[in-house]
Amino acid sequence: DIQMTQSPSSLSASVGDRVTITCRASQSISSYLNWYQQKPGKAPKLLIYGASTLQSGVPSRFSGSGSGTDFTLTISSLQPEDFATYYCQQSYSPLLLTFGPGTTVDIK
Amino acid sequence: QVQLQESGPGLVKPSETLSLTCTVSGGSLNPFYWSWIRQSPGRGLEWMAYLYYSGSTYYNPSLESRLTISIDPSRTQFSLKLTSVTAADTAIYYCTRGVGGRYHIDAFDIWGQGTTVTVSS
Repeated sequence: DIQMTQSPSSLSASVGDRVTITCRASQSISSYLNWYQQKPGKAPKLLIYGASTLQSGVPSRFSGSGSGTDFTLTISSLQPEDFATYYCQQSYSPLLLTFGPGTTVDIK
Repeated sequence: QVQLQESGPGLVKPSETLSLTCTVSGGSLNPFYWSWIRQSPGRGLEWMAYLYYSGSTYYNPSLESRLTISIDPSRTQFSLKLTSVTAADTAIYYCTRGVGGRYHIDAFDIWGQGTTVTVSS
């Protein structure tokens, strides 16, 4: 199995802050890495796929980078609607897709 | 736009079979993947299985012995059956659409709202 870890597990930030979340895979996954945002009581929403491609309709303040085992999700200027939990997910191993444990971004 | 809606019982007894259906509206089943993902406090987000619109199925090895997914193109629905459930199967169950190439699923771009299933006597 490819294990996904995320850091930090939670963070507090203010509107306007630049926020960076890290995701690490237990083995190289090339660029087969996706990011999702989940708000309380809602389903996850795809933000970024292929490590760095923004899903249609997602604001440009979100960006993703990385390849191999280390990836980052960056929110350039945090907005009130961005307070949520963020998950990474690998699709390198299509017979066992796995998610990270999540990073919760809350208001400082 | 494409929407997914899960349906099924919210309460299932231990050792019984959990059956859920996802209805796809506003779009076609092809050429996409159709998947079930569940979420619980203890396990986080767990991919369960997906199938390609043509019918090829792929299961999480940890659930494969208890799980069956199927598709009904005539109704634009796909379904999940999980046998011999225990309290550990209590979770929110999401149906999702997967995108990618013919031989590789890339990401889940559309999700249903989720349905909570509790396993309890």
